[in-house]
Amino acid sequence: QVQLVQSGAEVKKPGASVKVSCKASGYTFTAYYVHWVRQAPGQGLEWMGIINPGGGTTSYAQKFQGRVTMTRDTSTSTIYMELKSLRSEDTAVYYCARAWVEGDPNWLDPWGQGTLVTVSS
Amino acid sequence: EIVLTQSPGTLSLSPGERATLSCRASQSVSSSYLGWYQQKPGQAPRLLIYGAFSRATGIPDRFSGSGSGTDFTLTISRLESEDFAVYYCQQYGGSSTWTFGQGTKVEFK
Repeated sequence: QVQLVQSGAEVKKPGASVKVSCKASGYTFTAYYVHWVRQAPGQGLEWMGIINPGGGTTSYAQKFQGRVTMTRDTSTSTIYMELKSLRSEDTAVYYCARAWVEGDPNWLDPWGQGTLVTVSS
Repeated sequence: EIVLTQSPGTLSLSPGERATLSCRASQSVSSSYLGWYQQKPGQAPRLLIYGAFSRATGIPDRFSGSGSGTDFTLTISRLESEDFAVYYCQQYGGSSTWTFGQGTKVEFK
């Protein structure tokens, strides 16, 4: 079955970077867009960006431009999201989510299990 | 930038009752790109409705979506215990960006 398995929880200091991985299985990796969404404690969902694993092209929310980089490794069917210059407000659960329809980026399902990133001095 | 505003923030209902959740866009949007998600505590969200009206695979028919332009609605015809959760709308915002509403919590009355 389709699965997205994310890397484990991270604790980082302010100013550091974090790189979260999302390993895909059960489908043609290059055929489906992948989004990243985060959720601060007790808050709603915040869209961060999208990557096309086929060509590696990306688009990011303006809020994260210059701080986030999304990449992929087609040999391992893994998507990466790196966030730099971390601050306490970046403490959140970070989700990867595959687009639901092949070649169509518009709806997200399934989702990874989430990765908690805690930023604290 | 398209902003999605969901109302009410919290809906207090009993099992068997009807739930009506609203999602209003800051400008007219295409219904083709409007989706609804359900999130239960400690879980990742799951897709309920896509294209404003269509149920995703395995979603019970008590869930329905409607609307156009700037106003969209998710209706749960008869609440079951597993439906008490937080619901988010999502829309394509243009220029290869997407956005979520702030969510509506459906809680036990």
